[in-house]
Amino acid sequence: EADIYQTPRYLVIGTGKKITLECSQTMGHDKMYWYQQDPGMELHLIHYSYGVNSTEKGDLSSESTVSRIRTEHFPLTLESARPSHTSQYLCASSHRQGMDEQYFGPGTRLTVT
Amino acid sequence: AQSVAQPEDQVNVAEGNPLTVKCTYSVSGNPYLFWYVQYPNRGLQFLLKYITGDNLVKGSYGFEAEFNKSQTSFHLKKPSALVSDSALYFCAVRDLYSGAGSYQLTFGKGTKLSVIP
Repeated sequence: EADIYQTPRYLVIGTGKKITLECSQTMGHDKMYWYQQDPGMELHLIHYSYGVNSTEKGDLSSESTVSRIRTEHFPLTLESARPSHTSQYLCASSHRQGMDEQYFGPGTRLTVT
Repeated sequence: AQSVAQPEDQVNVAEGNPLTVKCTYSVSGNPYLFWYVQYPNRGLQFLLKYITGDNLVKGSYGFEAEFNKSQTSFHLKKPSALVSDSALYFCAVRDLYSGAGSYQLTFGKGTKLSVIP
């Protein structure tokens, strides 16, 4: 099992609420990523970071924001949740080299009512 | 640009039979190729990768994959399937010569493997 953690694992909230999905890793990896995945479907990259104070948007447009103040921590925030945000969110990290595999957390299943 | 295709949405195989999950890719330069497995309500787990060298790569849980440059394929194989192998399998690629954002992986749409007892 990889040392990458996500909390909460499941979250049900009402429309308009602000939420933060937590992701942390203890492997000292520079690179971190957030993916959005509908159940049983493909992954879409929404944010990534190559190190502290580095954040970039991914291929899929997202209303979420991220921050990277510490190497080990890469939280994702939704300022105002909507039902269209209902999905699974996967956090991943990888080491410095491009040939290195990404390690995934267990995911957060978000439902917005 | 890099892309990957998994032509089968679902593969069914009887327990004990060999299994193959197909993957083809497209890159400008040389590829880094990966296979991941996802069990229900879990994140992805790394199975194996091809970087360079031997075209047959061995990975976790008895899986292996064969890199074929002429056919731009990287099919996942296992000699004898187990019921516990039933899961969603993702192929991913990264172009060695991609520029900005070069650490990004492009994932296929996934193939659901069902091993029938």
